[in-house]
Amino acid sequence: DQQVKQNSPSLSVQEGRISILNCDYTNSMFDYFLWYKKYPAEGPTFLISISSIKDKNEDGRFTVFLNKSAKHLSLHIVPSQPGDSAVYFCAADPGAQKLVFGQGTRLTINP
Amino acid sequence: DTEVTQTPKHLVMGMTNKKSLKCEQHMGHRAMYWYKQKAKKPPELMFVYSYEKLSINESVPSRFSPECPNSSLLNLHLHALQPEDSALYLCASSHGSGANVLTFGAGSRLTVL
Repeated sequence: DQQVKQNSPSLSVQEGRISILNCDYTNSMFDYFLWYKKYPAEGPTFLISISSIKDKNEDGRFTVFLNKSAKHLSLHIVPSQPGDSAVYFCAADPGAQKLVFGQGTRLTINP
Repeated sequence: DTEVTQTPKHLVMGMTNKKSLKCEQHMGHRAMYWYKQKAKKPPELMFVYSYEKLSINESVPSRFSPECPNSSLLNLHLHALQPEDSALYLCASSHGSGANVLTFGAGSRLTVL
């Protein structure tokens, strides 16, 4: 049973526009949610997190929104840049030193 | 130093070989992790060490044997692997408190022939 789902395997966005990556989860007990970015041949890199008691966290061009009633979170990147092209993983932290990752969404930023 | 360093970057081994993957961090993190990632899949947790003690083993076959010699080093000993064990093996570390923000290494790409 997949507890964290990213239903879009890929997303293509024009440079300068907003990229919105989505993630759904099934377990209400997650303490934190995190987004990681992964380039080919590199390990995932932490981008931004949000506590389950918040509904928004912003860091520069990146904003994560959490909708607990819908069990949904999203990552907004604005404006999108070519260097943002990567695979983005949503992850949930149940507080037991485990991270549950989604399947990932490949974001392509077109010039 | 904000890096997790993994060696080797690439490893090819036969099913009867014994090899090891190595991981090092100097961020003072007290939790270290091994993850396995297959193509087009998310990372899957294998082991967690907390304060140099094994705290989580996600039912990993015994042909994978982790070792944490000290707080900065983490090894993964490999023996009698199968071709389906071919994957990217990622090491990570974290403070171990608050949001579990993991810092990942670049990974070791393992091919089992």
